[in-house]
Amino acid sequence: GAGVSQSPSNKVTEKGKDVELRCDPISGHTALYWYRQRLGQGLEFLIYFQGNSAPDKSGLPSDRFSAERTGESVSTLTIQRTQQEDSAVYLCASSTDSGGEKLFFGSGTQLSVL
Amino acid sequence: GQQLNQSPQSMFIQEGEDVSMNCTSSSIFNTWLWYKQEPGEGPVLLIALYKAGELTSNGRLTAQFGITRKDSFLNISASIPSDVGIYFCAGFIQGAQKLVFGQGTRLTINP
Repeated sequence: GAGVSQSPSNKVTEKGKDVELRCDPISGHTALYWYRQRLGQGLEFLIYFQGNSAPDKSGLPSDRFSAERTGESVSTLTIQRTQQEDSAVYLCASSTDSGGEKLFFGSGTQLSVL
Repeated sequence: GQQLNQSPQSMFIQEGEDVSMNCTSSSIFNTWLWYKQEPGEGPVLLIALYKAGELTSNGRLTAQFGITRKDSFLNISASIPSDVGIYFCAGFIQGAQKLVFGQGTRLTINP
């Protein structure tokens, strides 16, 4: 597709369950980012991939959060043993090497933990 | 870590009015950007600023990169209903390849 695609668009889960969120970046974009946006808040950086490597994981809130990227394409953000405070919109963005500051965002996954 | 202070947090204006919002930081950024987010969507880039003092326009939008490199403002002239949304400033950290976002300004327009 032409833009960044995220799935699912909405996810409702029970506290304690694991969830996987998927991001398909724009084809050819080497950089991929995950951000979290709590209701009414700004965007909180989680992790950055350059190719399949993650030079910066500093934003991951706890060891329950992990992410991987394969084939310099698809990325998966996994949250284990979800807690209610994990409820938020998880946004994925991609950019080219040379235009690293110009992020193209997906529409996000709205995660609700009951 | 770096934090961006964006103000105002929200604005309620009449259609046709001009809008001004700003962003300040305790840190210097190489690049300032302004994004707009509409309900159910991810943010979309509006304007990117690369040099201290730079003034850039995109249609009815004008943004400036402060000369201290620690602040930026965004103006919207003659607002229209489709300007409704949340506007985010963002600072780019060159070495870390990371965008730091402000908390957003929510713009509401009364027709």
